[in-house]
Amino acid sequence: QTVVTQEPSFSVSPGGTVTLTCGLTSGSVSTTHSPSWYRQTPGQPPRTLIYSTNARSSGVPDRFSGSILGNKAALTITGAQADDESNYYCVLYLGSGIWMFGGGTKLTVL
Amino acid sequence: EVQLVESGGGLVQPGGSLRLSCAASGFTFSSYWMTWVRQAPGKGLEWVANIKHDGSSKYYVDSVKGRFTISRDNAKNSLYLQMNTLRAEDTAVYYCARWELAMGQYYYIDVWGRGTTVTVSS
Repeated sequence: QTVVTQEPSFSVSPGGTVTLTCGLTSGSVSTTHSPSWYRQTPGQPPRTLIYSTNARSSGVPDRFSGSILGNKAALTITGAQADDESNYYCVLYLGSGIWMFGGGTKLTVL
Repeated sequence: EVQLVESGGGLVQPGGSLRLSCAASGFTFSSYWMTWVRQAPGKGLEWVANIKHDGSSKYYVDSVKGRFTISRDNAKNSLYLQMNTLRAEDTAVYYCARWELAMGQYYYIDVWGRGTTVTVSS
């Protein structure tokens, strides 16, 4: 069975740039998988960041951007801030009505 | 204000049943696909089930097929998840959420509830 993959953890320095990725164990991610990205801090519901690969949700700063990089969907954060420290999740449409979240990336800003 | 409020969570013994509800407000509920997403303690998000605007199509993650049933009552602006034969691994916070359609072809979740906690334990 195809699984959606994400880096378990990532670290970035304040002011730095980081790219998180969202892949598939079988095949390449494309726009047809309708990639979207969410962030979540402990005890809170997720918040939508990016949809349709690269569109920013309302109120999301332009420091956050989405793209397809190679065979994966990507979320890039530029000018990282302390409050970007969070868990980031992608979700992909796998076809036949089935969706799957990646395992999430815990981002540390230090 | 667009809002989703879940209820119905609680402690249940393995093999038991529970019915979750989600009350929607602030939007035309009958126009949207809806979904349940869960999160086990200390774990990531897991998509559980989807239901079409009119309830005519339903989809489930393999691990809940045959045990969980998603349904909706558009007249009551409500979404439900009937959970039977519950297992310890079903222990999670269950979020109700709304699918939005962008550019006529790309779906994404744009509204989340705050979740309701289900604990399966003896």
